[in-house]
Amino acid sequence: NAGVTQTPKFQVLKTGQSMTLQCAQDMNHNSMYWYRQDPGMGLRLIYYSASEGTTDKGEVPNGYNVSRLNKREFSLRLESAAPSQTSVYFCASSEARGVSYNEQFFGPGTRLTVL
Amino acid sequence: GQQLNQSPQSMFIQEGEDVSMNCTSSSIFNTWLWYKQEPGEGPVLLIALYKAGELTSNGRLTAQFGITRKDSFLNISASIPSDVGIYFCAGHPYSGAGSYQLTFGKGTKLSVIP
Repeated sequence: NAGVTQTPKFQVLKTGQSMTLQCAQDMNHNSMYWYRQDPGMGLRLIYYSASEGTTDKGEVPNGYNVSRLNKREFSLRLESAAPSQTSVYFCASSEARGVSYNEQFFGPGTRLTVL
Repeated sequence: GQQLNQSPQSMFIQEGEDVSMNCTSSSIFNTWLWYKQEPGEGPVLLIALYKAGELTSNGRLTAQFGITRKDSFLNISASIPSDVGIYFCAGHPYSGAGSYQLTFGKGTKLSVIP
């Protein structure tokens, strides 16, 4: 079991460029999440998908779009990157069922720099 | 929205010492989670707590769900160099269906001096 995988691991963009961050999980989890992590700010939720076919905004959704492609995959898209989007992006998943409902498992992250 | 206050922000300890850190909330939580993040990696779930007063261990780590439901504590006994990292608490006001968003503390950065 690879758990949660993310690609790419590193990315440098110029302002205005677009890109898609990929995430996949092999734990058969129902829910998936995208976070960004900035120094002094902790982890902030961008978007989440409670189940296949649904997506909802989190705390900081502006400038991002998401797609829940199937139960395994959840992608995050930056349509026009801005320097303020320089951050480390983490994908997470959770079973969202039973006693372990809230336990989220994280991927290794994508380190994005926007110049 | 809800906020989690995690303390201390950072700590330097000698190898072999015990470590304590805590997390407090302005409102009641029904779930407390503790994560560890090492440099360049994603957070790894260490312990999950679901019941007020619950005390759960994972090796040298012990976490407790506070009786008031507004706090949680993590203790590490006999620290070793590989304990270095940032420890995050996370909580949720609900348990079960309808809950998806965790609230995270800002982390306690632990440094262990050999």
